Amino acid sequence: DGGITQSPKYLFRKEGQNVTLSCEQNLNHDAMYWYRQDPGQGLRLIYYSQIVNDFQKGDIAEGYSVSREKKESFPLTVTSAQKNPTAFYLCASRIGMRNTEAFFGQGTRLTVV
Amino acid sequence: KNEVEQSPQNLTAQEGEFITINCSYSVGISALHWLQQHPGGGIVSLFMLSSGKKKHGRLIATINIQEKHSSLHITASHPRDSAVYICAVKGSTGNQFYFGTGTSLTVIP
Repeated sequence: DGGITQSPKYLFRKEGQNVTLSCEQNLNHDAMYWYRQDPGQGLRLIYYSQIVNDFQKGDIAEGYSVSREKKESFPLTVTSAQKNPTAFYLCASRIGMRNTEAFFGQGTRLTVV
Repeated sequence: KNEVEQSPQNLTAQEGEFITINCSYSVGISALHWLQQHPGGGIVSLFMLSSGKKKHGRLIATINIQEKHSSLHITASHPRDSAVYICAVKGSTGNQFYFGTGTSLTVIP
């Protein structure tokens, strides 16, 4: 079955450590997205990528980095520069600019202690 | 102002009740999604709509493009329906999704 997979579901890290969240899709989608959710707030865009080897900053990109070396994969690194990294992170993908169908991952809850 | 507004923010219902969650948006859209977020945080995509109505089991989603409004209905609600329901829209221009802040539903046995 095609889908989008985020792993792990729960992640714990010590303060000051970088951590990478995985997002993989086997849907042949061009566009992929990372969102962050904080309590009481809607999901906010961190980064998105429309095509391999290209990505754009979203509304809250500071303290995060991404790569898009393969179409299937769009990992998000939460760096030590991110002041409040504890949050729920959601990955999404879409076929391309002209297509409306989108798929969402299950999400990763990151806790930094 | 948020591009997507949901109401109510919190909803408590007795088991068996008919539930409606509303979503209004202010941008032109190409599609609207209803997502369900469980207490553990995992997200499940329930519906994607661009017009009309869709039904899946006890869940029904409708959208009125002219009024920029969508509703999610749950018939014969059950405690396992307790979750946060999030409305998300894909803008017709640009590359963004816009998300509501969610409706927290608790169904009491």
